[in-house]
Amino acid sequence: ILNVEQSPQSLHVQEGDSTNFTCSFPSSNFYALHWYRWETAKSPEALFVMTLNGDEKKKGRISATLNTKEGYSYLYIKGSQPEDSATYLCAFRNSGNTPLVFGKGTRLSVIA
Amino acid sequence: DSGVTQTPKHLITATGQRVTLRCSPRSGDLSVYWYQQSLDQGLQFLIQYYNGEERAKGNILERFSAQQFPDLHSELNLSSLELGDSALYFCASSRGQTTDTQYFGPGTRLTVL
Repeated sequence: ILNVEQSPQSLHVQEGDSTNFTCSFPSSNFYALHWYRWETAKSPEALFVMTLNGDEKKKGRISATLNTKEGYSYLYIKGSQPEDSATYLCAFRNSGNTPLVFGKGTRLSVIA
Repeated sequence: DSGVTQTPKHLITATGQRVTLRCSPRSGDLSVYWYQQSLDQGLQFLIQYYNGEERAKGNILERFSAQQFPDLHSELNLSSLELGDSALYFCASSRGQTTDTQYFGPGTRLTVL
């Protein structure tokens, strides 16, 4: 059974702070790593799909890095805003024929 | 709005009953995925269909079944319902089946009383 761990489980930051959280996955076989943003009462929204070791992706104030050799990805949010409050999910896939395995998410609350 | 639609939004039923959840993928997407989100659990993959054929199966109970129709919409059938089946059921779709982004529908909240 593949294990995808996200830390921290939850995080409270002040508006304007920058923050980051971690997704850990098995480093033995890697195919793809997905990040999703999930706001309360909505459905998960895709942020990034990362496939290459050393990948860095950016979308506005949110960016992500990938280290497949050591089995982790970081998600960074620069200058957090209240609208960034959401649960951030990562999902790992170890081959093209296997489904995504989701972590339990990091719940971010940005306080104005 | 992801372009993926799911009906119904909410469903309340009794133990032992059978329900059908419906999903329409984004226009042009061939893959449909079903996920279950229970209390304190991450999104659990149930099953994937690609262009009408089953492609991958997760921890889907034998009481649950799914299919994808020629128009690419999909249905998830849940039978002999138990209290523990109460959950949020999401459908997602993607163009193909490999590294493509999955787009999630709004979910169906199932409550079994």
